Amino acid sequence: GNSVTQMEGPVTLSEEAFLTINCTYTATGYPSLFWYVQYPGEGLQLLLKATKADDKGSNKGFEATYRKETTSFHLEKGSVQVSDSAVYFCALSRGFNAGNMLTFGGGTRLMVKP
Amino acid sequence: DGGITQSPKYLFRKEGQNVTLSCEQNLNHDAMYWYRQDPGQGLRLIYYSQIVNDFQKGDIAEGYSVSREKKESFPLTVTSAQKNPTAFYLCASSTVTNEKLFFGSGTQLSVL
Repeated sequence: GNSVTQMEGPVTLSEEAFLTINCTYTATGYPSLFWYVQYPGEGLQLLLKATKADDKGSNKGFEATYRKETTSFHLEKGSVQVSDSAVYFCALSRGFNAGNMLTFGGGTRLMVKP
Repeated sequence: DGGITQSPKYLFRKEGQNVTLSCEQNLNHDAMYWYRQDPGQGLRLIYYSQIVNDFQKGDIAEGYSVSREKKESFPLTVTSAQKNPTAFYLCASSTVTNEKLFFGSGTQLSVL
């Protein structure tokens, strides 16, 4: 079946540090891949997505590349800010025939210190 | 403004009691979803609906029930059969053809 594995957190960084959050997946076919972000006490918001191999999704300085050969979709940002502190979820889509439902990873909490 | 509204924000359940979580959307989305989030874990799908008057079980449907009588509304009932209901519950919606989900702000359910 489909599954998503993320690095365990929390990840604690100083402001302006480089961020990498690892995500690997197992899936049949060619799923779309997503990163969602959850700020404290809120629901999830889509951060970025990629729909096919070698696509790069990017938004708000974050980026992730769909690597089919390594089944990975690592999230990166060159210089984090305190406002980036949140929980980040990697997810894959089960596809249109499965109602476009998402399979989520366990989430990685990011804490950025001033 | 278009969006998804979940209520209440906090809910307490007594032993043996059924409770209902509300989810309303004005995005004109056909599909709606309920996810459960436990501390330190990812989201798990409880139920989903792609059209009015139809819904499907997700990965952890036992102890839960839903209805979809209106396009805008997808309430979730946590029944007394759900032995471990304490969790953060998230409702989401999407168009049927678009994989992007829009989430509500969640309901925290706790057992008294």
